[in-house]
Amino acid sequence: SSELTQDPRVSVALGQTVTITCRGAILRYFSAAWYQQKPGQAPVLVMSPKNSRPSGIPDRFSGSDSVTTATLTITGARADDEGDYYCNSRDTSGSHPRWVFGGGTKLTVL
Amino acid sequence: QVQLVQSEAELKEPGASVRVSCKASGYTFTSNYDINWVRQAAGQGLEWMGWMNPNTGNTGSADKFEGRVSLTRDVSTSTAFMELTNLKSEDSAVYYCARGRFDTWGQGTQVIVSS
Repeated sequence: SSELTQDPRVSVALGQTVTITCRGAILRYFSAAWYQQKPGQAPVLVMSPKNSRPSGIPDRFSGSDSVTTATLTITGARADDEGDYYCNSRDTSGSHPRWVFGGGTKLTVL
Repeated sequence: QVQLVQSEAELKEPGASVRVSCKASGYTFTSNYDINWVRQAAGQGLEWMGWMNPNTGNTGSADKFEGRVSLTRDVSTSTAFMELTNLKSEDSAVYYCARGRFDTWGQGTQVIVSS
């Protein structure tokens, strides 16, 4: 399959560590990127491909890849980290390449 | 800083077309960054629609939008355009442009399709 699967909801206690996962066969060939979206706002890139953190993103955000699974980890979650998180990768298996987004994970900080 | 500024919200009737603009600033529009278009229906996830290379004008789109979406640009004003034709109520969504590997996003354009 060329889809990306994410858990719909994840929660974490304030100050604890949370992992958000993204699974898909296409991750074997193209590293994932991660985006955070807050209500009423455009998404923001929080993790570039190959787990490179964009300028301005706190170092409590980290990423890792394992064959067909990508993981975004938030260490010491803050209330401001609440939002929807989407992974994204590229499907090159068809007649022409296309970008694919996961269904999103809603993160709640308790 | 790199910025993408989109056009204002649109209200369209079923069967009409909509054209959304995306003006780039803070970088060279024709450098090695595609412009991608993504939409998001209310309460739903992100859906990739297509891409355009501002330098060559080459484009590609998701199968779902083939024949219905047109991606163009005006290099003189560093602006990309997305036109979607034969609108249906299911096309009501916020439409975003995004640079390259989605490292910068426009603020979004609400499109409502209703009679």
